[in-house]
Amino acid sequence: KQEVTQIPAALSVPEGENLVLNCSFTDSAIYNLQWFRQDPGKGLTSLLLIQSSQREQTSGRLNASLDKSSGRSTLYIAASQPGDSATYLCAVRLISNFGNEKLTFGTGTRLTIIP
Amino acid sequence: GAGVSQSPRYKVTKRGQDVALRCDPISGHVSLYWYRQALGQGPEFLTYFNYEAQQDKSGLPNDRFSAERPEGSISTLTIQRTEQRDSAMYRCASSPLAGAGALGTQYFGPGTRLLVL
Repeated sequence: KQEVTQIPAALSVPEGENLVLNCSFTDSAIYNLQWFRQDPGKGLTSLLLIQSSQREQTSGRLNASLDKSSGRSTLYIAASQPGDSATYLCAVRLISNFGNEKLTFGTGTRLTIIP
Repeated sequence: GAGVSQSPRYKVTKRGQDVALRCDPISGHVSLYWYRQALGQGPEFLTYFNYEAQQDKSGLPNDRFSAERPEGSISTLTIQRTEQRDSAMYRCASSPLAGAGALGTQYFGPGTRLLVL
C-alpha cells in the first residue's frame, strides 16, 4: 500500500526567505506526483504536476523536484510572501491498469509566512 | 469559467439519518472523483467515475456509502444511517481526461463539511 509522508507538519518562516517542503512515498512505481495548496474554506489548488519521467517542474517562484528511485519530492518556494501561507499537500498516482486513477495524499505541511 | 461546485457546503445531521452530497464537475470533464478528508489529514480516495461508469469504489468504507453519476455529469454521494465517525470534509474533483496514462490534473471543489451529531 502506498504511503505518503510530509515533513515537517508545520513550518513558520519570515517573509522573504526561501524554503523547502518535503514529501516521501513508499512505492516508487508512480505515474505522477502533484503538489496542491489548500486554503481554509476553499478547495485544493493544483500547483505543479511532475510526470514520473521528469526530474522537476517550475512555475513562478515554485520549483518541484522528483527523485522516483529514492521516493522523494521537494517543493521549493523562493522569496516567500504572506500570501503563501496555506497547507501544502503532495499526492501521488500509481502506475496501474486502466481504471485506477486515484491520488494518495500526504498529511500536508501547514506553512505560515511571518510578515 | 466555473469550477467544481459542491452542495451543500455545510451539513449537520443526526445520527441515523441519510445524507446526499452533490458534486457538479467542470463542464465537459470526463472523470469525477470523491475524497474524504478528516481534520489534519490529507484527502482519502473514496470512488471515481469515467462518464457514468463507476470505475473504482475500493475506497468506500462500507456499504452505507454509495455514489452515482447517472448522466455522466453531476454526481451524488449518499451516506445511509450516518454515524458520528462519518463526520469529515467530503471533496469532489473532476478531470478532463479519462483512462490509464492520462495526464489530467484533478480540479477540486470547495468541499462539503459534514457533521453528524
